Amino acid sequence: AQSVAQPEDQVNVAEGNPLTVKCTYSVSGNPYLFWYVQYPNRGLQFLLKYITGDNLVKGSYGFEAEFNKSQTSFHLKKPSALVSDSALYFCAVRDGYSSASKIIFGSGTRLSIRP
Amino acid sequence: GAVVSQHPSRVICKSGTSVKIECRSLDFQATTMFWYRQFPKQSLMLMATSNEGSKATYEQGVEKDKFLINHASLTLSTLTVTSAHPEDSSFYICSARGAGGIYEQFFGPGTRLTVL
Repeated sequence: AQSVAQPEDQVNVAEGNPLTVKCTYSVSGNPYLFWYVQYPNRGLQFLLKYITGDNLVKGSYGFEAEFNKSQTSFHLKKPSALVSDSALYFCAVRDGYSSASKIIFGSGTRLSIRP
Repeated sequence: GAVVSQHPSRVICKSGTSVKIECRSLDFQATTMFWYRQFPKQSLMLMATSNEGSKATYEQGVEKDKFLINHASLTLSTLTVTSAHPEDSSFYICSARGAGGIYEQFFGPGTRLTVL
């Protein structure tokens, strides 16, 4: 069965510093990976995805993620954090490419950026 | 990206009543729609998957008679919480996907249900 793990419940970073939000995955085939962000009482906003190709994926709001097959990781990164980046971040994996495939979410990591 | 809307955004109801939440894909045809439930400070849990014109497929542990899902058209799915109880209070998020397996999946803004 497919799964994703986000080992950190919370990540605290000072504004201007680089940030990393960790994610590891487990899939039986080729991974189809996502990062989403959620602000309080709001739905999910898509940040980026990896299907195939370049291991470094660039997404919205200056975020990027690095796919590492040997470590089965897909960590989210940003070179310089903003206070407005404070939110809940979800890593997700889709269990295939068929029409019946589903997106499975990690437990979420709360990112807090202090001024 | 494509837009998915939900209505209402918030609903408060009395215990024992039924509540209907609508999910619409505004600028694409959603052959598949998903309903998720999110408890405070927790992740999204998939409740069910529905394909247009077919019965929904429910995840293990989700009561299909309590959470009625209808996907009668390519742009509309509804979730009805029947005989709601306080423990049904949650944030419900729908998601829609168009034709083709690799087609992107888009999420609605969510509906906050509070059952008194």
